[in-house]
Amino acid sequence: RKEVEQDPGPFNVPEGATVAFNCTYSNSASQSFFWYRQDCRKEPKLLMSVYSSGNEDGRFTAQLNRASQYISLLIRDSKLSDSATYLCVVKGSSGSARQLTFGSGTQLTVLP
Amino acid sequence: DGGITQSPKYLFRKEGQNVTLSCEQNLNHDAMYWYRQDPGQGLRLIYYSQIVNDFQKGDIAEGYSVSREKKESFPLTVTSAQKNPTAFYLCASSPGTGIWGYTFGSGTRLTVV
Repeated sequence: RKEVEQDPGPFNVPEGATVAFNCTYSNSASQSFFWYRQDCRKEPKLLMSVYSSGNEDGRFTAQLNRASQYISLLIRDSKLSDSATYLCVVKGSSGSARQLTFGSGTQLTVLP
Repeated sequence: DGGITQSPKYLFRKEGQNVTLSCEQNLNHDAMYWYRQDPGQGLRLIYYSQIVNDFQKGDIAEGYSVSREKKESFPLTVTSAQKNPTAFYLCASSPGTGIWGYTFGSGTRLTVV
């Protein structure tokens, strides 16, 4: 089983749609969680951290369920500029120097 | 502006050659990392360094070498022992081993010709 697994995608949605991505992780001792965005042939960029209480940044909402080892990202009112690959990222347990483990990513295309 | 600079952006290597990818950061970050990304796959950790003059192997270190002589610099050498080096290489840094995410460089795309 992969340490971090994501919806395989691709997701093709019309502008204005709401889309949700899911991610599961295998290490129950994982400490921190992130969503990164990666545009084609570019480096990943931090989109948002994910907290147990859930957090929102404009049209983006991230949720964490530690009991189910599950992370989600919700994008409301999709824009063409949201088209990218979204990477679910998990940090290991306390004291782990190996740092972040990346999922394979879910590709999103927002259509006009 | 603070950030991470990777060079070159594109690199072509003949089989049997060693090549070195540059990574420099001016963020005053302690930790630095090298990842490899293949098409349709996630990032895989090659090497990481938490402090100057110290580094550790990641999941796919075979055929690669690194050095960390200065805090700002973490070059990666792809040796001739790496059998399938064509990939997108990403360097990243973070303030330490805490809860922070990473800042990435813009990457080097290596192709074996």
